[in-house]
Amino acid sequence: DTAVSQTPKYLVTQMGNDKSIKCEQNLGHDTMYWYKQDSKKFLKIMFSYNNKELIINETVPNRFSPKSPDKAHLNLHINSLELGDSAVYFCASSPGTENEQFFGPGTRLTVL
Amino acid sequence: QKEVEQDPGPLSVPEGAIVSLNCTYSNSAFQYFMWYRQYSRKGPELLMYTYSSGNKEDGRFTAQVDKSSKYISLFIRDSQPSDSATYLCAMNRDDKIIFGKGTRLHILP
Repeated sequence: DTAVSQTPKYLVTQMGNDKSIKCEQNLGHDTMYWYKQDSKKFLKIMFSYNNKELIINETVPNRFSPKSPDKAHLNLHINSLELGDSAVYFCASSPGTENEQFFGPGTRLTVL
Repeated sequence: QKEVEQDPGPLSVPEGAIVSLNCTYSNSAFQYFMWYRQYSRKGPELLMYTYSSGNKEDGRFTAQVDKSSKYISLFIRDSQPSDSATYLCAMNRDDKIIFGKGTRLHILP
């Protein structure tokens, strides 16, 4: 009974490719997030959606495009991948925007 | 000055010792204070959550918030090797959670 799940767990790809990471939560939460954790373990928010609407969009290159088809899903599409995109990407969800967040297991992206 | 400061460690202590992990912050707008634990190659998991100054205890863990000093702490009593992980403090403002960089903790058996 995974609360927040992400696929794939590992993603290795070449520079310039386009890739997607999927996230699903079965907690009935209204808010979902994407975070990037770099090699120094710093966790930084990228996007936040509340009831399928974008509410936080940090200074992220527009090569990154989140999509929320419904409240339980928040996918991340990345165009023209660059070396610096290599990181672990975490999806999270919370009941509302001011509540504690529950994290997925992460997707380790390596761009060669 | 960063909004949330946390010493990255590593911090190594013998099994059974009391561990003290700390964060300082600069923004008085933070309302909620959290501690997350992250094992290697896993997602962060919430340990403690509080919104007021004072202490909150849960088993071997105690979270302490001092809003006047803009300082929060996590104490772990009777530390175990299984407590070895990275501990991240986190604070909420404007519908956004800001994380500290995390402290790597090693409990030596």
